[in-house]
Amino acid sequence: QVQLQESGPGLVKPSETLSLTCTVSGGSITNYYWSWIRQPPGKGLEWIGHVYYTGSTNYNSSLKSRVTISVDTSNQQFSLQVTSVTAADTAVYYCARFYFDTSAYYYDSWGQGALVTVSS
Amino acid sequence: EIVLTQSPATLSLSPGERATLSCGASHSVSSKYLAWYQQRPGLAPRLLIYGAYSRAAGIPDRFSGSGSGTDFTLTISRLEPEDFAVYYCQQYAMSPPTFGGGTKVEI
Repeated sequence: QVQLQESGPGLVKPSETLSLTCTVSGGSITNYYWSWIRQPPGKGLEWIGHVYYTGSTNYNSSLKSRVTISVDTSNQQFSLQVTSVTAADTAVYYCARFYFDTSAYYYDSWGQGALVTVSS
Repeated sequence: EIVLTQSPATLSLSPGERATLSCGASHSVSSKYLAWYQQRPGLAPRLLIYGAYSRAAGIPDRFSGSGSGTDFTLTISRLEPEDFAVYYCQQYAMSPPTFGGGTKVEI
C-alpha cells in the first residue's frame, strides 16, 4: 500500500513562496502521475496540478502563473511551489497519486494533508 | 471546465436509513472518469467509488454508485455511524479535474 506524506512550513508570509514536498513510500514513484490538491478551511477541493514521473506537468489555469510542481525520482519525492501567496492561498494541501487505466481515472492514495497559513 | 453540482448540500438522516446523494455535471462525463470520495472531519479524502460504479478496495457493499452522462448518484443503503461525513464527486473527463462542492451527511 503506497503512502504519501507532505512536509514543509505551516506558516508563510504574504508575497512569499509556499513550498511543500511529498514523500512516497511503499511503492514506486515511476509510471504514475502525482498531484497536489488543496482545500481552504471549511471549503471544497481544488486541483492545483500534477507531475508525471518523467517530469512533464499540467497545471490548473487559475494558478498556472504562480505554480511549479517538480519530481525527484531518486528520492521518491515530488514538490510544490506557489509564489506570491496571499491569504486566499491558506488551505490544507494534499498530495495524491493519480491512477489511470483503460477503464477508470481516479485518485487512489492521499497524504494526510498539510495546513499552510498565509499570514504576517 | 466541467462544473459538478452536488445535492443536497446537507442530508440529515439516522443510522440505518438510506442516503441518496446526487452529482450533476455541466457537460457529459464518461462513466470511467467519475469518482466519489468520503472525507471525515480532519482527515484526507478516501476513494469510495471509481468508474462511476466500482467500489474501491475495502469499501463495504452498502456503498454503490450509478448514473451516466450528466447525472450520477451515490447510494448508502444503510447508514452506519462512521458514514456520517462529507462526500465529493470528481471528474477527469476534461482538464482540469474538478470536484463537486460536497454533500454533508449528518445525524
